[in-house]
Amino acid sequence: EDKVVQSPLSLVVHEGDTVTLNCSYEVTNFRSLLWYKQEKKAPTFLFMLTSSGIEKKSGRLSSILDKKELFSILNITATQTGDSAVYLCAVEKQAGTALIFGKGTTLSVSS
Amino acid sequence: GAVVSQHPSWVICKSGTSVKIECRSLDFQATTMFWYRQFPKQSLMLMATSNEGSKATYEQGVEKDKFLINHASLTLSTLTVTSAHPEDSSFYICSARELDTEAFFGQGTRLTVV
Repeated sequence: EDKVVQSPLSLVVHEGDTVTLNCSYEVTNFRSLLWYKQEKKAPTFLFMLTSSGIEKKSGRLSSILDKKELFSILNITATQTGDSAVYLCAVEKQAGTALIFGKGTTLSVSS
Repeated sequence: GAVVSQHPSWVICKSGTSVKIECRSLDFQATTMFWYRQFPKQSLMLMATSNEGSKATYEQGVEKDKFLINHASLTLSTLTVTSAHPEDSSFYICSARELDTEAFFGQGTRLTVV
């Protein structure tokens, strides 16, 4: 059975801290891994990873994929209160198919 | 990025009535759209895959007669929750994607059945 597992499920940090969110997966016919940020409404796209070892970066956020060990991490440096959200990891099996989501990591950043 | 518009954003309905939720891709043609359901503090659970011009493919455990999906055009898919009950109260999200790109999500619809 395909599965996507995120850890930790929740995390509380202080502003300025650096956090690392984890996502491991077991799927057949892996194609890509995606990270989303969800606040009150629908998820917003962060990264799409298809190749191992290539870091993707956007501001204070970065992510990398390890296809051998079947996991990805999402790093957030110098966290701000606006980073508080649920971070979802999702895996795509074949082009154009539905994403398989993990349960998400709830990040709370306190000032 | 591409825009997916979902309407309404929230709806309250009485038990036993039906509710229709629309999902439109505004600037691209989506041959496939996906409907998800999300309970509080849970992840997105795929309900069905909606294919333009054909019947939707439902995930195991999702009642196709209760959750009617229509995908009549390349830019519009609808989800109708029939004979709604309080346990159907949830957050429903559609998504669509162009090949080889990330999935774009609608704004979601929060359904409350009273």
